[in-house]
Amino acid sequence: AQSVTQPDIHITVSEGASLELRCNYSYGATPYLFWYVQSPGQGLQLLLKYFSGDTLVQGIKGFEAEFKRSQSSFNLRKPSVHWSDAAEYFCAGTTRGGSQGNLIFGKGTKLSVKP
Amino acid sequence: NAGVTQTPKFRILKIGQSMTLQCTQDMNHNYMYWYRQDPGMGLKLIYYSVGAGITDKGEVPNGYNVSRSTTEDFPLRLELAAPSQTSVYFCASSHRDPTDTQYFGPGTRLTVL
Repeated sequence: AQSVTQPDIHITVSEGASLELRCNYSYGATPYLFWYVQSPGQGLQLLLKYFSGDTLVQGIKGFEAEFKRSQSSFNLRKPSVHWSDAAEYFCAGTTRGGSQGNLIFGKGTKLSVKP
Repeated sequence: NAGVTQTPKFRILKIGQSMTLQCTQDMNHNYMYWYRQDPGMGLKLIYYSVGAGITDKGEVPNGYNVSRSTTEDFPLRLELAAPSQTSVYFCASSHRDPTDTQYFGPGTRLTVL
């Protein structure tokens, strides 16, 4: 069955430290993968997406993610975290030709930033 | 360009009451979606639409209904509200199918008592 898994429910990092949020997927075909961010009380905003080509994807707000087929992973990274990055982050995936409404979300990782 | 708008922002319902959550997008997107978000569970798809007049069930459709009479509007109807429908509801839209970027509204927080 298709699935997206975020192993970490909550991560705390110090401001200025590097960040890596994990995402693993299970799809038969090459998936389209997304990272969304949700600030408190807000809707979701797209950070970046991958569907083909260069496996290192650059996004907004200084985020990047790397698609690793061998590890079925699409981890999100940022070299230096800012206090404003505190939010919940969702990995999501789908495949072309599948159920038309079927974007599957992970359960989310909540990021806290220590001053 | 307002994007995706949702009303109301908050609502408290009594068990058995009905209500409609409104969603409007001004990006001329063909696809629209309704999700519910429960703590620690991510987002679950309730219903989606691929264009005016066409809707289909998602993962958790029971207790809900939708309609899509125009490209812009995609209301979600709750009939006979139950405590299990206490959640945050998000409407989203995309130009093409779910491989395209989805744009989300700010959400409606619903409590059923």
